Amino acid sequence: ELKVEQNPLFLSMQEGKNYTIYCNYSTTSDRLYWYRQDPGKSLESLFVLLSNGAVKQEGRLMASLDTKARLSTLHITAAVHDLSATYFCAVVAFTSGTYKYIFGTGTRLKVLA
Amino acid sequence: DTGVSQDPRHKITKRGQNVTFRCDPISEHNRLYWYRQTLGQGPEFLTYFQNEAQLEKSRLLSDRFSAERPKGSFSTLEIQRTEQGDSAMYLCASSLAIGELFFGEGSRLTVL
Repeated sequence: ELKVEQNPLFLSMQEGKNYTIYCNYSTTSDRLYWYRQDPGKSLESLFVLLSNGAVKQEGRLMASLDTKARLSTLHITAAVHDLSATYFCAVVAFTSGTYKYIFGTGTRLKVLA
Repeated sequence: DTGVSQDPRHKITKRGQNVTFRCDPISEHNRLYWYRQTLGQGPEFLTYFQNEAQLEKSRLLSDRFSAERPKGSFSTLEIQRTEQGDSAMYLCASSLAIGELFFGEGSRLTVL
């Protein structure tokens, strides 16, 4: 069964601190996406990672992909309250003759002022 | 392009009624996906289309659910004889081939 697991599931952190969210997946894939979701809203694309070793940065967020370890990380630097949201990773996998996007369990981040 | 649009944004219905949601994808995108999301969970795959062909349907999807994309443009998702367990956010997304997924704002269903 294809699985995408994130940890932690919940993260409460102080403003100004650093932290990393991990996304592990069980199948071969070289495409991984990170999304942000605010309460009651839809998913907003953050990063597209298309190859082993890919690293993308936007503001206080940096994402990386290690396809050999089947692991992606989302690193938060000097967190601010506006980053409070739920973050999802999604893996593209070829299974049963089609490509599927499989989402992780999500990490709910709360940044405390 | 205005992105992926969904209608209605919120639907409240009584158990046993039928509901239909519409999704208009980004115009040049050939793939369209439906997901369901309940509180505190990640999006759960329901079905997807490449152009007008429905290529996969989740085994979790009961026969009460049907989706169409008649001309390879907009899509509809119909739920017949709704149950309280169908209450969720129904998300539509589109992509060009297996590129980045772009999501609509979602249609929230509440079954009383």
